[in-house]
Amino acid sequence: ETGVTQTPRHLVMGMTNKKSLKCEQHLGHNAMYWYKQSAKKPLELMFVYSLEERVENNSVPSRFSPECPNSSHLFLHLHTLQPEDSALYLCASSQDRATRKYNEQFFGPGTRLTVL
Amino acid sequence: GEDVEQSLFLSVREGDSSVINCTYTDSSSTYLYWYKQEPGAGLQLLTYIFSNMDMKQDQRLTVLLNKKDKHLSLRIADTQTGDSAIYFCAENVDSGTYKYIFGTGTRLKVLA
Repeated sequence: ETGVTQTPRHLVMGMTNKKSLKCEQHLGHNAMYWYKQSAKKPLELMFVYSLEERVENNSVPSRFSPECPNSSHLFLHLHTLQPEDSALYLCASSQDRATRKYNEQFFGPGTRLTVL
Repeated sequence: GEDVEQSLFLSVREGDSSVINCTYTDSSSTYLYWYKQEPGAGLQLLTYIFSNMDMKQDQRLTVLLNKKDKHLSLRIADTQTGDSAIYFCAENVDSGTYKYIFGTGTRLKVLA
């Protein structure tokens, strides 16, 4: 596997379910990101981890809980979601900011989440 | 607040030039980016420009930056059907954080 992979690619869940999204990067990066992509809205940065520590948390509801056990893996745990949380959830990775002049992010294909 | 604005749709004929526009609000951004998203895929970096540059050219792509007006544009010459995708403008707020502000994306449709 190369690049950034995400599983599952599609997920349908009820409002009372608990599920997790998984992201894995094979690029040797040490920063990982979760974004939410909704139609006709700006791409929304949710969480950023650098060297396994959370460095950005953009006022995301607590029903979304991230976890970064190591620099290659990132999870998004979902609990009691609402229908308006239906969206494409994208994971990305990059080198740490301090090591590069510009910071290219590499994105996974996303998980299409539908909350019923 | 910080905001990046783009129009949602653009339609051009194959062989014509496409110009995708973007306005941003944070004048402290040091890098501005254009990403491309093809159907069923994540975003892929197309090009970027450093804030002290006015223009950057890379094959069919030309990026123009007007810092005074906080306006960024992406010109694609000789647009092909394979260029049909969503194009995102993004700024990297250089405040020592990992904060990236993306626009809504512009869906480019190339007509044969």
